[in-house]
Amino acid sequence: GQNIDQPTEMTATEGAIVQINCTYQTSGFNGLFWYQQHAGEAPTFLSYNVLDGLEEKGRFSSFLSRSKGYSYLLLKELQMKDSASYLCAVLNRDDKIIFGKGTRLHILP
Amino acid sequence: DTEVTQTPKHLVMGMTNKKSLKCEQHMGHRAMYWYKQKAKKPPELMFVYSYEKLSINESVPSRFSPECPNSSLLNLHLHALQPEDSALYLCASSQDRSGTGNEQFFGPGTRLTVL
Repeated sequence: GQNIDQPTEMTATEGAIVQINCTYQTSGFNGLFWYQQHAGEAPTFLSYNVLDGLEEKGRFSSFLSRSKGYSYLLLKELQMKDSASYLCAVLNRDDKIIFGKGTRLHILP
Repeated sequence: DTEVTQTPKHLVMGMTNKKSLKCEQHMGHRAMYWYKQKAKKPPELMFVYSYEKLSINESVPSRFSPECPNSSLLNLHLHALQPEDSALYLCASSQDRSGTGNEQFFGPGTRLTVL
């Protein structure tokens, strides 16, 4: 079966750091994506990891461990506009993208 | 042009109507996707076109019929829908389907209501 797990909801404070975890079990692995989706809007691409390690892009970083089937998205210096859903998505061996259920992140002032 | 456009933005239709959703991209992307998204749920993949050929049909009911007239356009024809088909329909495109080429650009979606 194919399974992607991430927390349903998280809350953090403006200016703080938050880590959103994602674990996956899929038929093969050709990479992992993180997308951000604000309410009522389309998802937008944040990051792509295919090799183990940390990819940093401004305030956002994404980490991958293929042996553990694990990734996280790290958001630093949180801003109110970061309140959104964060979707973990895995590309399986058939190049089919599978989305997790998403994590709704609430930022408090 | 790094945009995926979708029309219409909103659509209300009866169960006996026939309508079409349209999607367009001019980024030279060779893969295009239809997703269905219900409130507070992730996008559910419906169809994938790769190089204008249908690659994936996720067991979608035949009342949804995709069409890819050319490499820039993707349509979704709707007929005899049910109220439970009401959702946001998202179109996306990517350079191709492999690795980093699968970074998907999403359109703004069509909010569909079936009465």
